[in-house]
Amino acid sequence: DTAVSQTPKYLVTQMGNDKSIKCEQNLGHDTMYWYKQDSKKFLKIMFSYNNKELIINETVPNRFSPKSPDKAHLNLHINSLELGDSAVYFCASSQVRTVFYEQYFGPGTRLTVT
Amino acid sequence: AQKITQTQPGMFVQEKEAVTLDCTYDTSDPSYGLFWYKQPSSGEMIFLIYQGSYDQQNATEGRYSLNFQKARKSANLVISASQLGDSAMYFCAMSWGSSNTGKLIFGQGTTLQVKP
Repeated sequence: DTAVSQTPKYLVTQMGNDKSIKCEQNLGHDTMYWYKQDSKKFLKIMFSYNNKELIINETVPNRFSPKSPDKAHLNLHINSLELGDSAVYFCASSQVRTVFYEQYFGPGTRLTVT
Repeated sequence: AQKITQTQPGMFVQEKEAVTLDCTYDTSDPSYGLFWYKQPSSGEMIFLIYQGSYDQQNATEGRYSLNFQKARKSANLVISASQLGDSAMYFCAMSWGSSNTGKLIFGQGTTLQVKP
């Protein structure tokens, strides 16, 4: 039983295309995240949703648009893909309360823009 | 501003020996949590251990322990009895704030190689 799943695992596309990555968690968590890991393995948060409400929106180009249809799903849509968007994108989830909880990550989606 | 620093890009350890991976952090918020994640070559991110800023004792999880030195702002990961399967990249991360959004910031990572 996969806790946090992402599809697709690999995505190869050309510049200018629009693509989506889907994420689902079955942990009952109320918060979901998108992270980007660049070619140097540096991980940076992009977005976070809590109960379908956007709570973190880092300085990400507006070509990236997250959508959360319900608290178990957080999808990432990317318009007009650029070479610099090539990276591994991780979805994660956690239960956010007054104490800090670990985040559980999906397997990642390796996006290659040619 | 909050920051996580891992100064060891790569480390080697002999199988069955212990190894310490360094992590220093910076925050002015008294409430924060420190995490360690493992990323093997297969790419997934695996949660290892957590330490809260108000926790009195150092966290331990099996062969993993966190050497938390609050005054020095360090949260080093100690892996005892290293195994070949411990070869991976390790990330230190932090979340903070009384209005916890869950946002994690990560260090640059340390690549650990366990030699047989």
